Amino acid sequence: QVQLVQSGAEVKKPGASVRISCKASGYTFSDYYMHWVRQAPGQGLEWMGWINPNSGGTNYAQKFQGRITMTTDTSITTAYMEVSSLRSDDTAVYYCAKQITGGLWYFDLWGRGTLVNVFS
Amino acid sequence: DIQMTQSPSSLSASVGDRVTITCRASQTISSYLNWYQQKPGEAPNLLIYAASSLQSGVPLRFSGSGSGTDFTLTISGLQPEDFATYFCQQSYITPPTFGQGTRLEIK
Repeated sequence: QVQLVQSGAEVKKPGASVRISCKASGYTFSDYYMHWVRQAPGQGLEWMGWINPNSGGTNYAQKFQGRITMTTDTSITTAYMEVSSLRSDDTAVYYCAKQITGGLWYFDLWGRGTLVNVFS
Repeated sequence: DIQMTQSPSSLSASVGDRVTITCRASQTISSYLNWYQQKPGEAPNLLIYAASSLQSGVPLRFSGSGSGTDFTLTISGLQPEDFATYFCQQSYITPPTFGQGTRLEIK
């Protein structure tokens, strides 16, 4: 079954870090970029960056550079994203999303999301 | 960054209606436009890619059109399961950006 299974909800204090996982199955993990997108309560979708599982190369949104780290472990087909120096406005549902390859690309598979709640 | 503007932000309609949602890009994006459906508590689900191509498994009542800066998503014959929020997304330039969403509610 083709799916992305994300880790469970997290509660963190401001200034802490959180690492979210995204376990892929049903397809060749290394062949497709993995993106991370977040959605604050009642808000729209915000792209955070991507990682190429084959090379480990990353591209982060300027807004998050220096504060997020995306990694993968191809042996267990899992992607990770760590967000550091958490603030209250980082409270959101974080999604991993698989990118289809090709010029006219899109997200063809999403995880169910991981809620990160940041409060003191 | 390319700004994506959807209209309307919310819409009330009845089962069986035909509805149209529009998405405008702040600069030309050719056909690099995708549409997603999101239900409460669920992840987005791809409906339309490359402006007008129907994703496998998506009902034929969904259709997309447009190119350049102006795009539309049309649902012909609304079904109860279609009441959700719809987002457009451009993949022309990094960073990919999303519209703010259109919430489709039952009248």
